[in-house]
Amino acid sequence: GENVEQHPSTLSVQEGDSAVIKCTYSDSASNYFPWYKQELGKGPQLIIDIRSNVGEKKDQRIAVTLNKTAKHFSLHITETQPEDSAVYFCAANLYFGNEKLTFGTGTRLTIIP
Amino acid sequence: DVKVTQSSRYLVKRTGEKVFLECVQDMDHENMFWYRQDPGLGLRLIYFSYDVKMKEKGDIPEGYSVSREKKERFSLILESASTNQTSMYLCASSAGTGTNEQYFGPGTRLTVT
Repeated sequence: GENVEQHPSTLSVQEGDSAVIKCTYSDSASNYFPWYKQELGKGPQLIIDIRSNVGEKKDQRIAVTLNKTAKHFSLHITETQPEDSAVYFCAANLYFGNEKLTFGTGTRLTIIP
Repeated sequence: DVKVTQSSRYLVKRTGEKVFLECVQDMDHENMFWYRQDPGLGLRLIYFSYDVKMKEKGDIPEGYSVSREKKERFSLILESASTNQTSMYLCASSAGTGTNEQYFGPGTRLTVT
């Protein structure tokens, strides 16, 4: 099966600076890589995703990059704000169609005002 | 608006009790999932269901069973609760059309004493 590793486990960033979270996956057949944000007391929510036929995707202050050769993908948050403080999970989907995801272990991001 | 609800936010049970966790989605989704969330371990898939009465084991199914009698409802059953099943349990659903996005409920924090 698929294995997803995520680093770092915790990250503190000064407000306004950028944050980067990295994930690696084990199975080269994986084709879909979403990122979820979990705020305190809530379930995770999708914030951005990328498919294996694309190298980079942006949505305002958030971007995801994918390197298929190295089997890693990263989440980039620019101009961080206090509301970005949350736990972030990366994930990978191995079998297109069954929508089953393998999640990383999570990164707790803290934005320091 | 998309909604996944879980029957309880907090639950305290005794060792050996049979425990039912209920999840309901109102989006007519084909797929439903049960995850367990533990610090440092991320989200681990217990079971998922891709159709009514259909189920498939995830990564950590031992000690759990599931039931899906109606499309909108997916139940997680702990046949005989043990202290190592103390955890946060998250339910999710996805459309099953290949879009992959999973929508999560708020979670149930289960404590087994």
